[in-house]
Amino acid sequence: DTAVSQTPKYLVTQMGNDKSIKCEQNLGHDTMYWYKQDSKKFLKIMFSYNNKELIINETVPNRFSPKSPDKAHLNLHINSLELGDSAVYFCASSLSLQETQYFGPGTRLLVL
Amino acid sequence: DAKTTQPPSMDCAEGRAANLPCNHSTISGNEYVYWYRQIHSQGPQYIIHGLKNNETNEMASLIITEDRKSSTLILPHATLRDTAVYYCIVRGSNDYKLSFGAGTTVTVRA
Repeated sequence: DTAVSQTPKYLVTQMGNDKSIKCEQNLGHDTMYWYKQDSKKFLKIMFSYNNKELIINETVPNRFSPKSPDKAHLNLHINSLELGDSAVYFCASSLSLQETQYFGPGTRLLVL
Repeated sequence: DAKTTQPPSMDCAEGRAANLPCNHSTISGNEYVYWYRQIHSQGPQYIIHGLKNNETNEMASLIITEDRKSSTLILPHATLRDTAVYYCIVRGSNDYKLSFGAGTTVTVRA
């Protein structure tokens, strides 16, 4: 009965590779988000999608490309991975843009 | 966004109430106070939110002062599993994002 799920849970990869992280929510929410938590533990929003449309893009490098095939899914594709991309990435969803956000368990990305 | 100020850490005895303070002196009239927590290695967990009235749910109570410049999250009977980083966040009704600060690291001790 997982509400917001992410795959994979852990991702270890080499610099320069391209990787994707997937997020799914079964809450019937219209809005989904990606947040990044760096080594200093600060959580910052990256993207927000509402009804499959991009709403927020917080000055994230264009190597990061979110894709929302439907309202229940928001995937994050990262090209040309860099060491500084190592972080924990959290997906979240909410009923609408103004409503309470619920987070997934996170994907721990390590770039070597 | 209005900023919040929280103590960096606090300890609490198991079984006792934990009172977590948060200052948000620049909050405006349409901004809500949200509380989330993050247990080690997990995603942030929603706890409670309020506008001006006190709120209570199965997890906690939120007490907001009359001038709305500060609030207190109360965990009525802290357990070891309540050990986490607690975030107080002020969010406007038109804010589409949550702005997390450093939070308060709460350690519940047996």
